[in-house]
Amino acid sequence: QQQVKQSPQSLIVQKGGISIINCAYENTAFDYFPWYQQFPGKGPALLIAIRPDVSEKKEGRFTISFNKSAKQFSLHIMDSQPGDSATYFCAASMEFGNEKLTFGTGTRLTIIP
Amino acid sequence: NAGVMQNPRHLVRRRGQEARLRCSPMKGHSHVYWYRQLPEEGLKFMVYLQKENIIDESGMPKERFSAEFPKEGPSILRIQQVVRGDSAAYFCASSPPVASGRAWQYFGPGTRLTVT
Repeated sequence: QQQVKQSPQSLIVQKGGISIINCAYENTAFDYFPWYQQFPGKGPALLIAIRPDVSEKKEGRFTISFNKSAKQFSLHIMDSQPGDSATYFCAASMEFGNEKLTFGTGTRLTIIP
Repeated sequence: NAGVMQNPRHLVRRRGQEARLRCSPMKGHSHVYWYRQLPEEGLKFMVYLQKENIIDESGMPKERFSAEFPKEGPSILRIQQVVRGDSAAYFCASSPPVASGRAWQYFGPGTRLTVT
């Protein structure tokens, strides 16, 4: 029940399009859901995060949608740009801060011109 | 403010040797986490430490692996008698205390360990 399932494994989107990555979890004790972006050869960087008390959070072109009853959350990247090409990981933890993260398996996003 | 620093960035060891990976957290961060990333996979939690204390080592293999975060100096992840299956990228993350209100984890660039 500690697993976080992520899909799709890879995604190709045209420049200007919307990229959507989905994650699902089983453990209802999870209370904090961050998304990380990773470029080749680099460490993951926090992109955006959400708590279960809200259904949506938006920061610039990035939006997290959260469905607590379905135990699902997704990342939407609006107006996708070639610079967004990276691997994206969803994650979850029991609480915000000072707690281990359980990561999804990652989505390799490629934005084509 | 420098980010999380890890060294070495690349490490090659022969089977049976020891690997020592170092992590210097961001200034003001007293919490350190180690994760392992196998090729084409997500990150797997290994251990969570505060200064001089191991808080959670539930993801750490029972044998050959150990971690410390001394009062002074970097956190060290040690792998004894390495095997080919230990080849992976090892990432360190750090965070300030929850009371800071900004306790998300910042990741270092990783150490890529290759066992030959």
